[in-house]
Amino acid sequence: DTEVTQTPKHLVMGMTNKKSLKCEQHMGHRAMYWYKQKAKKPPELMFVYSYEKLSINESVPSRFSPECPNSSLLNLHLHALQPEDSALYLCASSQVPRGYEQYFGPGTRLTVT
Amino acid sequence: AQKVTQAQTEISVVEKEDVTLDCVYETRDTTYYLFWYKQPPSGELVFLIRRNSFDEQNEISGRYSWNFQKSTSSFNFTITASQVVDSAVYFCALSGSGNQFYFGTGTSLTVIP
Repeated sequence: DTEVTQTPKHLVMGMTNKKSLKCEQHMGHRAMYWYKQKAKKPPELMFVYSYEKLSINESVPSRFSPECPNSSLLNLHLHALQPEDSALYLCASSQVPRGYEQYFGPGTRLTVT
Repeated sequence: AQKVTQAQTEISVVEKEDVTLDCVYETRDTTYYLFWYKQPPSGELVFLIRRNSFDEQNEISGRYSWNFQKSTSSFNFTITASQVVDSAVYFCALSGSGNQFYFGTGTSLTVIP
């Protein structure tokens, strides 16, 4: 089973709202990732968790706050977003952080109004 | 520096034609990994293949084949007898000494029935 699940599938939020995106995998993978993807662009890496520790933060604004409660779960907390943050947010996992393929979830399509 | 170039932005072919998607990479790492992903209109990135830098064997999987040539830093992807279901954006990606994937800009393939 190579499934990564993400909830919700769609999210509309105002600029003053607080919301969270959730990601789950049960493949025993020890690396998990958040990406942001705009239309007609490749995914942009936001965060990498390696063995449940944040190992990469690609200078993402603090209105995005990641959390890894355990090895299977990854959250992305959203607060005071801007309309330009509207995008597809993809979660991925890989067996270990380096050298292995990443398996992606279906994404959360976020619209900030 | 790591970089992936997919020079073909959009390709259209008629069903049953063969099509090759080009991928050229740059890296200073001696050990690195190359990947191809498919992103259909639904949005989920689907893993297709991984190759490490020490394995230059070409690979065939059904109608898909991959040609890895270190001498030209290329990892091209050929679809034989294309089908409408092959319509998608295809991304080539590179992973080197770090935890990140470096994605190319993608090639949008349209197969016309």
